[in-house]
Amino acid sequence: EIVLTQSPATLSLSPGERATLSCRASQSVSGYLAWYQQKPGQAPRLLISDASNRATGIPARFSGSGSGTDFTLTISSLEPEDFAVYYCQHRSSWPLTFGGGTKVEIK
Amino acid sequence: EVQLLESGGGLVQPGGSLRLSCAASGFTFINYGMTWVRQAPGKGVEWVSTISGNTLSTYYADSVKGRFTISRDNSKNMLYLQMNSLRAEDTAVYYCAKRSPVGYYMDVWGKGTTVTVSS
Repeated sequence: EIVLTQSPATLSLSPGERATLSCRASQSVSGYLAWYQQKPGQAPRLLISDASNRATGIPARFSGSGSGTDFTLTISSLEPEDFAVYYCQHRSSWPLTFGGGTKVEIK
Repeated sequence: EVQLLESGGGLVQPGGSLRLSCAASGFTFINYGMTWVRQAPGKGVEWVSTISGNTLSTYYADSVKGRFTISRDNSKNMLYLQMNSLRAEDTAVYYCAKRSPVGYYMDVWGKGTTVTVSS
């Protein structure tokens, strides 16, 4: 099983600041990694697929990068609605796994 | 509009059984694999099980293997999760989700149904 480790667990930032979230895989997942956003009481929402491809309707301030074992989700300038929990997920092999999440909170 | 609607959650005693359902609409159901994902209270999301569109392939997390069975009825656009031998640690919100066109990511999610296992 591929373990995905997200860091930091919590990121405290102000609106307008840049957010950089990390996801590290225990073995290579090539480029097969997605990022999701989850707000309280809601289901997760797909943001990025295959490391760097924004899903339909996702604003350009969200970008993903990386390959192999190290991946990054960047939010270029935080909007109030971006404060949420973010998860990474691989599709490289079975079982699928998610990272433990990074909470982006208002400083 | 693509929609997924889960049902069947509730309170069940340890060792009991429950069957979750997910009604799909707005897309060609048979063309897409479907997945169940769960989230325990205050915890992260956990992949549970996936079934291919043609039902030939099924996959399970080790934590549910041998106890849960995923199935689908493509004539009714329905996805199911039969859960047996339930444990307290199965308590969670269960989401059904649709496979994305590029692979086994989840691009559409339902609102979830809550399963509570407690005596």
